[in-house]
Amino acid sequence: RKEVEQDPGPFNVPEGATVAFNCTYSNSASQSFFWYRQDCRKEPKLLMSVYSSGNEDGRFTAQLNRASQYISLLIRDSKLSDSATYLCVSLSSGSARQLTFGSGTQLTVLP
Amino acid sequence: ETGVTQTPRHLVMGMTNKKSLKCEQHLGHNAMYWYKQSAKKPLELMFVYNFKEQTENNSVPSRFSPECPNSSHLFLHLHTLQPEDSALYLCASSQGFGNQNTEAFFGQGTRLTVV
Repeated sequence: RKEVEQDPGPFNVPEGATVAFNCTYSNSASQSFFWYRQDCRKEPKLLMSVYSSGNEDGRFTAQLNRASQYISLLIRDSKLSDSATYLCVSLSSGSARQLTFGSGTQLTVLP
Repeated sequence: ETGVTQTPRHLVMGMTNKKSLKCEQHLGHNAMYWYKQSAKKPLELMFVYNFKEQTENNSVPSRFSPECPNSSHLFLHLHTLQPEDSALYLCASSQGFGNQNTEAFFGQGTRLTVV
């Protein structure tokens, strides 16, 4: 089983739609979580950190459910510029902390 | 403008060549990483350095040799690579392994083609 699993998509949605991505993680000791976006042939860029109480940044809302080992990202009023691959990331705890990336969910927002 | 810079951006090398990838971070971070991203595959962690000490080597072939002379610089030395090593090589840095959240910031990557 992959340590971080995501639905690869692709998700094709019309402009203005609301879209949700899900992510599950297998390492219960994972301490922190992030969502990154990666545009085609570019480097991943941090979109938002995921806090245990859930957090919102404009049109983006992230949720964490530690009991179910589940993370979500909700995008409201999607824009054409939201088209990208969204990467779910966990940070393991302990002396050898490392970031583990999911394989990403591809989103295309259509005009 | 990124706080993590990688050079070169593109590299084409033969299987008998020796080359090096360079990464420099200007963020005052203590941890640096090399990742490999092949076409249509997730990011694969290769090496982790924390305070210049290598803390992770994810079963990477010896034809890849990392070097971290200080907390701001990271190199990946390449020799006798194979065509399947062609990929995007990404460097990242983060604050380090304290108790705080520590997101990583990426360089723009080196797109490597082995011919």
